[in-house]
Amino acid sequence: AQKITQTQPGMFVQEKEAVTLDCTYDTSDPSYGLFWYKQPSSGEMIFLIYQGSYDQQNATEGRYSLNFQKARKSANLVISASQLGDSAMYFCAPFYGNTGKLIFGQGTTLQVKP
Amino acid sequence: NAGVTQTPKFQVLKTGQSMTLQCAQDMNHNSMYWYRQDPGMGLRLIYYSASEGTTDKGEVPNGYNVSRLNKREFSLRLESAAPSQTSVYFCASSERDRGLRGYGYTFGSGTRLTVV
Repeated sequence: AQKITQTQPGMFVQEKEAVTLDCTYDTSDPSYGLFWYKQPSSGEMIFLIYQGSYDQQNATEGRYSLNFQKARKSANLVISASQLGDSAMYFCAPFYGNTGKLIFGQGTTLQVKP
Repeated sequence: NAGVTQTPKFQVLKTGQSMTLQCAQDMNHNSMYWYRQDPGMGLRLIYYSASEGTTDKGEVPNGYNVSRLNKREFSLRLESAAPSQTSVYFCASSERDRGLRGYGYTFGSGTRLTVV
């Protein structure tokens, strides 16, 4: 079974500072994608950013960017200029091309302090 | 509004009762999925359907059955509910290959199920 590891169960960050959420994954599939989702306390799943395994450059989406290190099987999410509304649970979720499955890590709870 | 609709939003069952969770999408997606999320945890894949007429087991299929009724609808059935099945259930849909092109999944708003 594919294994996804998010080593930080809980994180704190001061408002307006940057924070990095870690994610490592296990795959032998050469073709895959990496998604990050945000889940606020209201419960909905919100898509944040995507990185394809063949993409040459790290993905960016507004205040979100990915530090993608393919050889290390690592895809860390960087949130710049944190806002109070960023307080939520964040999930790393690889999509495996050979199975068509999206598998989730256990998540990191981020709290932004004013 | 286009999206994934789940019913019901909340349900309380007694141990041993059965029920079906309904899911429908109107985006003409081929693939549909059922996940469960236990408190403080990530989503775990129960079953998925890559296309109409096919279903496959995910990570935690025991105690569940599914039916892909047509392209739009994918239901999840608990034949004999157990307290261990207390969870939030999410349905999602996607175009299979689009997971490799960043289009991702569209999730429903979830069903909160409590088994007492």
